[in-house]
Amino acid sequence: AQTVTQSQPEMSVQEAETVTLSCTYDTSENNYYLFWYKQPPSRQMILVIRQEAYKQQNATENRFSVNFQKAAKSFSLKISDSQLGDTAMYFCAYHSSNSGYALNFGKGTSLLVTP
Amino acid sequence: DVKVTQSSRYLVKRTGEKVFLECVQDMDHENMFWYRQDPGLGLRLIYFSYDVKMKEKGDIPEGYSVSREKKERFSLILESASTNQTSMYLCASTLGGTSYEQYFGPGTRLTVT
Repeated sequence: AQTVTQSQPEMSVQEAETVTLSCTYDTSENNYYLFWYKQPPSRQMILVIRQEAYKQQNATENRFSVNFQKAAKSFSLKISDSQLGDTAMYFCAYHSSNSGYALNFGKGTSLLVTP
Repeated sequence: DVKVTQSSRYLVKRTGEKVFLECVQDMDHENMFWYRQDPGLGLRLIYFSYDVKMKEKGDIPEGYSVSREKKERFSLILESASTNQTSMYLCASTLGGTSYEQYFGPGTRLTVT
């Protein structure tokens, strides 16, 4: 099974600053998808951003962007202009077209945005 | 918007009880999933279903079973609850085809005493 590693269990950033969350994965596949999910405290898990492995351009969604390094198997999430509402657990997830529709999730990074 | 609902946000059960966790999605999604979320362990897949009456084991199926009698509903069953099944349970669904994004329910925090 593919392994997704998030090496930072907890992180903290001040409001308006930029923070980068790390994610690496282990795979022998060439076609796959990567996701970042956000789970605010006591709230529903929602998709933040997705990246198709065949696309070289890094995905961007407003203040959220990724740095996708396919050769290095790295998929980091950058949050610019951090806001208090960004405080959440962030999960990196991997999907391979050979593995049906299940996702492999990392263990998560707890991000705290401070005033 | 896709809506995934779960029958309870919080549930307290006694050891040995049979527990049903219900999940309903309203977007005609083909695939549904049950995950367990524990601190430091992330999300672990318990069971999933590709179609009505179909089920597949995930990474940690022991102690659980599932039922999918209708496309929109996917139930997780703890036949005889144990204290080590105290956890947050998340349901998710995905459309299928070339769409792999999963939509999650709000979760059920189950405590087994």
